[in-house]
Amino acid sequence: GAGVSQSPSNKVTEKGKDVELRCDPISGHTALYWYRQSLGQGLEFLIYFQGNSAPDKSGLPSDRFSAERTGGSVSTLTIQRTQQEDSAVYLCASSLGGAGETQYFGPGTRLLVL
Amino acid sequence: EDQVTQSPEALRLQEGESSSLNCSYTVSGLRGLFWYRQDPGKGPEFLFTLYSAGEEKEKERLKATLTKKESFLHITAPKPEDSATYLCAVGLNAGNMLTFGGGTRLMVKP
Repeated sequence: GAGVSQSPSNKVTEKGKDVELRCDPISGHTALYWYRQSLGQGLEFLIYFQGNSAPDKSGLPSDRFSAERTGGSVSTLTIQRTQQEDSAVYLCASSLGGAGETQYFGPGTRLLVL
Repeated sequence: EDQVTQSPEALRLQEGESSSLNCSYTVSGLRGLFWYRQDPGKGPEFLFTLYSAGEEKEKERLKATLTKKESFLHITAPKPEDSATYLCAVGLNAGNMLTFGGGTRLMVKP
């Protein structure tokens, strides 16, 4: 079946602009995660959605970052007033159930803030 | 503080030269340990999940093992196509995310 898909694959933006990154999880997966992968930083957790529960936003680095998940499926990660330090690969993952289940990752969106 | 440490950071092998990658962890309440493979420009690809000490999983030339303090990814007779970054991650009883190690970059030369 289809895996996790993300769009766009690459995004170049100017400092101060807003960007939206999209994630389509594997069909039937109830949990969705966003991570960020920076050079020299490894993968760091951003936010977690599970069903209709309130999202776990404990990994969001600042209030410029927000995410939503509509209809229990597609998710959008929004970064407002982008800064150069936001440049990274943003990875989305989904799992069949909640925490502890195997997470399957998408190809990522490579964000470059000039 | 929960920590996941992978070693070595980089490993060069000749084709056919078996070796092991290490993932050591200091965490409270391990729910599961996960191994992923990541090729340049791509997202992590799932390899194995291990849930309890003593558990082993195998797939082709790869074998993952788990103790109470660490996990090993054994690579037997590697081929150049095994070249990639191998990531280890832990899921905890408290918390929803995976905590990743820094990865081991494996290069297998023909």
